[in-house]
Amino acid sequence: KQEVTQIPAALSVPEGENLVLNCSFTDSAIYNLQWFRQDPGKGLTSLLLIQSSQREQTSGRLNASLDKSSGRSTLYIAASQPGDSATYLCAVRGMKTSYDKVIFGPGTSLSVIP
Amino acid sequence: EAGVTQFPSHSVIEKGQTVTLRCDPISGHDNLYWYRRVMGKEIKFLLHFVKESKQDESGMPNNRFLAERTGGTYSTLKVQPAELEDSGVYFCASRELAGGYNEQFFGPGTRLTVL
Repeated sequence: KQEVTQIPAALSVPEGENLVLNCSFTDSAIYNLQWFRQDPGKGLTSLLLIQSSQREQTSGRLNASLDKSSGRSTLYIAASQPGDSATYLCAVRGMKTSYDKVIFGPGTSLSVIP
Repeated sequence: EAGVTQFPSHSVIEKGQTVTLRCDPISGHDNLYWYRRVMGKEIKFLLHFVKESKQDESGMPNNRFLAERTGGTYSTLKVQPAELEDSGVYFCASRELAGGYNEQFFGPGTRLTVL
C-alpha cells in the first residue's frame, strides 16, 4: 500500500532564506510525483510534476528532485518570500492498477516571516 | 482550454440534508476522480470513473455517498443524508485516457460545511 509522508509538518523561516521540503513514499512503482501548493480556503495549485524517468524539474525559484529508488523527493525554494506562505503537498500516482489515483502526503505548512 | 470546474464553490447545509456536488472535467478527459479533505486530515481518494464506468470506488466512505457520471461527461457526487463529519473540501480531477504518465488536473474544489 502506497504511503506518502512529508517532513517537516510545519516550517517557519525569515524572508530570503533558502529552504527544503521533504517527501517520502513507500512504493517506487510510480508514474509521477507532483508538488502542489494550497492556500487557506483555496484550491490546489500544481507547482511541479516529475515523471518517474526524470530526476528533477525547475520552475522559477522552485526545484523539485526525485530519487525513485529511495522513495524520496525534495522541493527546494530559493530566496523565500512572504507570498510563499502556504501548505505544500506532495502527491504520487502509482503504476499498479489499484493505485490509479493520486496519493497525497499530509503537507508541510510554510510560513515566511517578513 | 478550460480547466476542471466544480460547482458550487461553497455549500452550507444542515445535518440530514442532501447536497449534490458537480464536476465538469476538461473536455475529452475520460478519467475523472473525486477526492476530499476533511478537517485535519490528508486529501483522500474517493473514486475513479473511466468514461461512465466506475473503475475504483474503494475510497467511498459509506453508502450515503453516491457518484454518477451519466454519458461520461460531467459527474455528480451526492451526499444523502449529510453528517457533520462530511464537512471538508471535495476536489475533482480529470486525466486523458491514453497514456499512464499524463497528469491529473485538479479543480478548485467545493467546500462543504455541514452544521
